[in-house]
Amino acid sequence: DQQVKQNSPSLSVQEGRISILNCDYTNSMFDYFLWYKKYPAEGPTFLISISSIKDKNEDGRFTVFLNKSAKHLSLHIVPSQPGDSAVYFCAALTGANNLFFGTGTRLTVIP
Amino acid sequence: DSGVTQTPKHLITATGQRVTLRCSPRSGDLSVYWYQQSLDQGLQFLIQYYNGEERAKGNILERFSAQQFPDLHSELNLSSLELGDSALYFCASSVGTANYGYTFGSGTRLTVV
Repeated sequence: DQQVKQNSPSLSVQEGRISILNCDYTNSMFDYFLWYKKYPAEGPTFLISISSIKDKNEDGRFTVFLNKSAKHLSLHIVPSQPGDSAVYFCAALTGANNLFFGTGTRLTVIP
Repeated sequence: DSGVTQTPKHLITATGQRVTLRCSPRSGDLSVYWYQQSLDQGLQFLIQYYNGEERAKGNILERFSAQQFPDLHSELNLSSLELGDSALYFCASSVGTANYGYTFGSGTRLTVV
């Protein structure tokens, strides 16, 4: 049972444009959400997070939006750069001590 | 270098065999987590240890086991291997028991033939 879903396996965006990666979840008990970025042959690296008490968190070019009523979050990258090309994983957790990950979205930023 | 070390990086073995994957957490981190990433799948949580004690268990098969040693390194043992066990196995570590942004190693790619 996939509690965190990323329905788009891949996304291509022109350099300089906005990248929007989407994530849906089913468990209303999730109270913290994270985005990880993964390059080939490396482990995922933490990118940005948001608590369920907020609806937006911004860090430089990266902004995460949370819509609790829709059980949906999104990661916006603007402007997109070729170095942003990677697989992005959405993850969520409750008070228990393990993360639930989505299946990932492969972002390709075209120069 | 994330500070989390996993060995070996690659492993090829036959069905029915047993292998051990090793993880050294980042200095100062007490929690170790094991995740499995199969083809086209997300990261599936297997098990967590905190300071030597099992803390949480996820979708870990009975053929799999893990432990965390006094020096905090951890081993994931996979036995009676099947073709479907071929995957990337990631270890992550964090300071405490909360997972806010914990650090992953670069993974061990296991291929069962």
